[in-house]
Amino acid sequence: QQPVQSPQAVILREGEDAVINCSSSKALYSVHWYRQKHGEAPVFLMILLKGGEQKGHEKISASFNEKKQQSSLYLTASQLSYSGTYFCGTVYSGAGSYQLTFGKGTKLSVIP
Amino acid sequence: SAVISQKPSRDICQRGTSLTIQCQVDSQVTMMFWYRQQPGQSLTLIATANQGSEATYESGFVIDKFPISRPNLTFSTLTVSNMSPEDSSIYLCSFVPLGQETFFGQGTRLTVV
Repeated sequence: QQPVQSPQAVILREGEDAVINCSSSKALYSVHWYRQKHGEAPVFLMILLKGGEQKGHEKISASFNEKKQQSSLYLTASQLSYSGTYFCGTVYSGAGSYQLTFGKGTKLSVIP
Repeated sequence: SAVISQKPSRDICQRGTSLTIQCQVDSQVTMMFWYRQQPGQSLTLIATANQGSEATYESGFVIDKFPISRPNLTFSTLTVSNMSPEDSSIYLCSFVPLGQETFFGQGTRLTVV
């Protein structure tokens, strides 16, 4: 079952912040975040394991709420290079493998 | 970080023909995965390629259409058989070297005419 991402699309001006959410109806083992630019393969941003931890990567960070089975990606002081489609990929608890189920993606556009 | 090489990077093929995509990893991995990304869509898992056993296919994907080989722990191929325009997509291989982070190949952009 595919995780649900929101919003579907967002437009930001440089320097603004954004939050992208990823929700699952099934228990999660981990949540992975990727950014994909047009015509390119997805690029790994970060992984969060169950436990409610928060991670950061420069001005991009994420959290994982195990109780809600939800992860959020935070982009602060956005830059033009942040533009792209962001996907969350989930690994379900008890899945027995590390196959990812991806959300439909959030298209982020950063404008000057 | 791990290196994964996928080829071809793109191809234009005639309908009814087949294309084999290769994926080479610079370290031994147990599981490799093949994904499809249709235009403007998310990534969908096609199958899991396990060394020494048959691939495990997801619902909607069959071995006759997408045969997979996994001759050793560093290499896998995906064949898209009897292609139609609906097969036009980006195909990506991936693996999980440390049991956590997933690495993707560069992708193969396939156009069927």
